[in-house]
Amino acid sequence: AQTVTQSQPEMSVQEAETVTLSCTYDTSESDYYLFWYKQPPSRQMILVIRQEAYKQQNATENRFSVNFQKAAKSFSLKISDSQLGDAAMYFCAYRSNNNNDMRFGAGTRLTVKP
Amino acid sequence: DTAVSQTPKYLVTQMGNDKSIKCEQNLGHDTMYWYKQDSKKFLKIMFSYNNKELIINETVPNRFSPKSPDKAHLNLHINSLELGDSAVYFCASSPSIFYEQYFGPGTRLTVT
Repeated sequence: AQTVTQSQPEMSVQEAETVTLSCTYDTSESDYYLFWYKQPPSRQMILVIRQEAYKQQNATENRFSVNFQKAAKSFSLKISDSQLGDAAMYFCAYRSNNNNDMRFGAGTRLTVKP
Repeated sequence: DTAVSQTPKYLVTQMGNDKSIKCEQNLGHDTMYWYKQDSKKFLKIMFSYNNKELIINETVPNRFSPKSPDKAHLNLHINSLELGDSAVYFCASSPSIFYEQYFGPGTRLTVT
């Protein structure tokens, strides 16, 4: 079974600075999807960014980008120019392309300091 | 125009009761899911339906029974509630099993 590991339970960043959240996963599959979800205090789960494993190019969405290292099975999220509204729990998720199995990491709580 | 909605948002009930949580999506998606998020924020998939057919049934107690009257709805019924059932339950949907999931706002269930 695939597992997703987020080794940083908590991270903090100064407003306007850059922070990187780590995620590693374990799989024997070659085709899959990776996601980062954000969960603010409102509890809503919000998709931040997605990456298809067959794509070598790292996904980017405005201030959010990923560093996808397929061989290392690493999928980190970089948040540039951090804003107060970025404070939330961030979940890394893996979804198999062979079935409907989606696995989440334990989450990283990000604090943004003004 | 909420995409994925859940009712109720909060549910407080006593042990032994039976309760239901409703989920509706207006995105036209084929696949819907139920997740449980425990007090440590760990998200675990419980069920998944694709076109009204159950395609994942993780090892959850059979006190939990999903019901999908149509493609836009996936309700979760829980019998004989236990203290350990206290958690936030999320409904989600996706266009198919091959796309990202869109989550509802969650239902915080508290069993006393």
